[in-house]
Parts: sequence; C-alpha cells; structure tokens
Amino acid sequence: AQTVTQSQPEMSVQEAETVTLSCTYDTSESDYYLFWYKQPPSRQMILVIRQEAYKQQNATENRFSVNFQKAAKSFSLKISDSQLGDAAMYFCACGRIGAQKLVFGQGTRLTINP
Amino acid sequence: GAVVSQHPSRVICKSGTSVKIECRSLDFQATTMFWYRQFPKQSLMLMATSNEGSKATYEQGVEKDKFLINHASLTLSTLTVTSAHPEDSSFYICSARDARSEQETQYFGPGTRLLVL
Repeated sequence: AQTVTQSQPEMSVQEAETVTLSCTYDTSESDYYLFWYKQPPSRQMILVIRQEAYKQQNATENRFSVNFQKAAKSFSLKISDSQLGDAAMYFCACGRIGAQKLVFGQGTRLTINP
Repeated sequence: GAVVSQHPSRVICKSGTSVKIECRSLDFQATTMFWYRQFPKQSLMLMATSNEGSKATYEQGVEKDKFLINHASLTLSTLTVTSAHPEDSSFYICSARDARSEQETQYFGPGTRLLVL
C-alpha cells in the first residue's frame, strides 16, 4: 500500500518570497508518478507539477519546482516569487504506474501575506 | 485541453431521494474516471474507479448499492447517491484520465456540493 504524508498543515509566506512545501511518501513500487495539485477556494483541483519516479531530473513549471529525493522518498514543492493567487490547499499525491488511482496526502494550506 | 465538467455544481435534496451527478471529459476520451468525496478541510477520499463499459471498482467501506456508478461512454460517468441521508452531505469530485496519455495524470472536475436535508 502507498501512503503520502504532508507534515505541514499550514504554511504562510510573504508575497514575492519563496516557500517550500514538504511531502514524503512510502511505496514498494519501482515505477510511479508523483504529483502536486492545488485546490484554491473555488475547490477546483488544478495540476501544478508532475514527476516521473524514473527521472532523476527535478520537474519544473515556471515558478514551481520540486526537489525529488527518491532514496529518501521525499517530494517537496518550491514556489518562487509567491503571488497572492498561489493561496490554496496543496495536495501531494502518488500513483503507481498502471494502477490508475492516486493516494493523496492530507494537504497543506498556504497563505500568502501581502 | 483536458477539461472535466461536473453537473450540477450544487444540489439540495430531501432525505430519501436519489441524486445523480454527471462527470464529463470535454476534450478527451476517458476510459477511466474516478469519484472522490471530500469533507471540509480534509483530503480527497477515493470512493470508486469507474471503467468504461464495465463495473466500477469500489474502495473498501464504500457501499456500491448506495453509490451507483455508470460509465456508459468514453466521456461520461455518473454517480447516483441513492436514498440520500444527511450524512451523505459532502463535496463530491470526479476526475478523468486521458485514454491516449501514458502519463497517469488525472484531471479534475469542479466538484458538486450535495446537501441532504
């Protein structure tokens, strides 16, 4: 079974600063994907970034990047130049390739202070 | 691309009635769709995996006769909450996987808020 743990229920950051959200996971699988999803107040889940476990290079999407440490089973999300629109719940998720379903962490609520 | 819609966005019903929620992939085909339930300030809980043309796979503890799932086409899955009770009040979210993609990404609908009186 897979588990995903987000140990930070809440985080806050000043606008334009950088913040890192933590995520650890446990899986016995060798082939899997990791995701960060954002859920703003509208409650629409939005894909932020995706990482294939077999890739050593950390994924990057504009101001969002990950620090993927496979041996440590860690998958943190770094948000650079934080903007007010980044305020949301952030969920880390893990999915075994071919298994289809995702396992989500508990979520981290990110507040951006103007 | 990769847009998923849900209808209705909100529904209020009386206890004992049934409610149907639709999930549609608008610009891609989805052989697999997923139904989640989310309680306030909590994470998403997978209820079932909906496969086009076959029976849904329910997670442990989810009553299949209570939550009927139909995936009749590559773009539509429906969740029917039968004989709804106040404890069924929740936020229901669907997601879909692009059948042509190997990347396992799920795209989510905007959710349906159900209130059972």
